[in-house]
Amino acid sequence: DVKVTQSSRYLVKRTGEKVFLECVQDMDHENMFWYRQDPGLGLRLIYFSYDVKMKEKGDIPEGYSVSREKKERFSLILESASTNQTSMYLCASSSAAEGWDYGYTFGSGTRLTVV
Amino acid sequence: KQEVTQIPAALSVPEGENLVLNCSFTDSAIYNLQWFRQDPGKGLTSLLLIQSSQREQTSGRLNASLDKSSGRSTLYIAASQPGDSATYLCAASGFGNEKLTFGTGTRLTIIP
Repeated sequence: DVKVTQSSRYLVKRTGEKVFLECVQDMDHENMFWYRQDPGLGLRLIYFSYDVKMKEKGDIPEGYSVSREKKERFSLILESASTNQTSMYLCASSSAAEGWDYGYTFGSGTRLTVV
Repeated sequence: KQEVTQIPAALSVPEGENLVLNCSFTDSAIYNLQWFRQDPGKGLTSLLLIQSSQREQTSGRLNASLDKSSGRSTLYIAASQPGDSATYLCAASGFGNEKLTFGTGTRLTIIP
């Protein structure tokens, strides 16, 4: 089974801190994604990556950056955390080589609270 | 821009009943449609993936259908159980675009 692992289930950070959310997948997937999920707004795409060192903005990239130095790892960075970034963050991966045969696989999520 | 809608936002059904969850999308030129389940505070678990060339997929008590011409997908759950209680999300992607667009989900409660 494909596994997407997010390093933390719960995080509490202070306003202004630099925050790193880590995501690792173990199936050699090319594509990786970061979403945030908020009540009433659903899942919104922050950033995605089709390959190592590649990144593209999603629908709500403001206040975030990403890093993909290795194929299996995709990091989301909050440069200066703010209270409106309190949310559930979900990482996902998919295979480009196999096309859409298997869809997306999600991690278990990181609940970030910024105080 | 693709928009995905799920109505109703919440649904309560007595145990044992069959039920249908609805998903509609505005751009019929989708590549695939995927149904997910999410338990409270958890990540998303993939249930079924329907490719654009397919009309339905089945897994156990679950059956998902896709009608691109009408912009609709349905998830049918047979003989519902309390363990089916969760939020169900559908998501669509377009050709040449690996990004998924999600609906806001239907929160399903199965009443014992």
